Amino acid sequence: DSGVTQTPKHLITATGQRVTLRCSPRSGDLSVYWYQQSLDQGLQFLIQYYNGEERAKGNILERFSAQQFPDLHSELNLSSLELGDSALYFCASSVASGNYEQYFGPGTRLTVT
Amino acid sequence: AQSVTQLDSQVPVFEEAPVELRCNYSSSVSVYLFWYVQYPNQGLQLLLKYLSGSTLVKGINGFEAEFNKSQTSFHLRKPSVHISDTAEYFCAVSDIGDADKLIFGTGTRLQVFP
Repeated sequence: DSGVTQTPKHLITATGQRVTLRCSPRSGDLSVYWYQQSLDQGLQFLIQYYNGEERAKGNILERFSAQQFPDLHSELNLSSLELGDSALYFCASSVASGNYEQYFGPGTRLTVT
Repeated sequence: AQSVTQLDSQVPVFEEAPVELRCNYSSSVSVYLFWYVQYPNQGLQLLLKYLSGSTLVKGINGFEAEFNKSQTSFHLRKPSVHISDTAEYFCAVSDIGDADKLIFGTGTRLQVFP
């Protein structure tokens, strides 16, 4: 158990809908990262927040957004969902920003039908 | 742009045999290198990382990797595998000036047979 929790574990929704994925980092970790793992694209970095501020951005679509709240939990919002958004979404956390070990949560499996 | 190539999508091996999982990277700048393991239905776990210093890096579960700058490689090795090592292994790279952005390879499925 990495100490990172993600909810829900599974999510099934229809095209065009909007969903919110939630992540609680390990106690004391200030950085939260979001990744997408799909068969087509592999494991891709989406976005990072550090202590409430966006720190780094990867291949995140404009339909996707994220935020980190004062209690340091983070949410990833996916809107106007398409079939291709079906994937496993991982959250990771680290104590700070930089070359610190990232601890991964168990993931949320999103299925868009 | 950085990229990571894991040359083998699957590596079958018998228990107690040695194994090497290959990883090559492409980058125009200095990098940090990582190996992660993903067990079925779980998130990723860090096996080992190279930041600087000795090019031979030892990690958890008896794994080690060697950074070869001239060949831009970071191959993962274990002298004797166990059934429990069956998992997906991911090599990753980050630019030392942008260390938070991990670029992952496509993964290598290690299947250990009794």
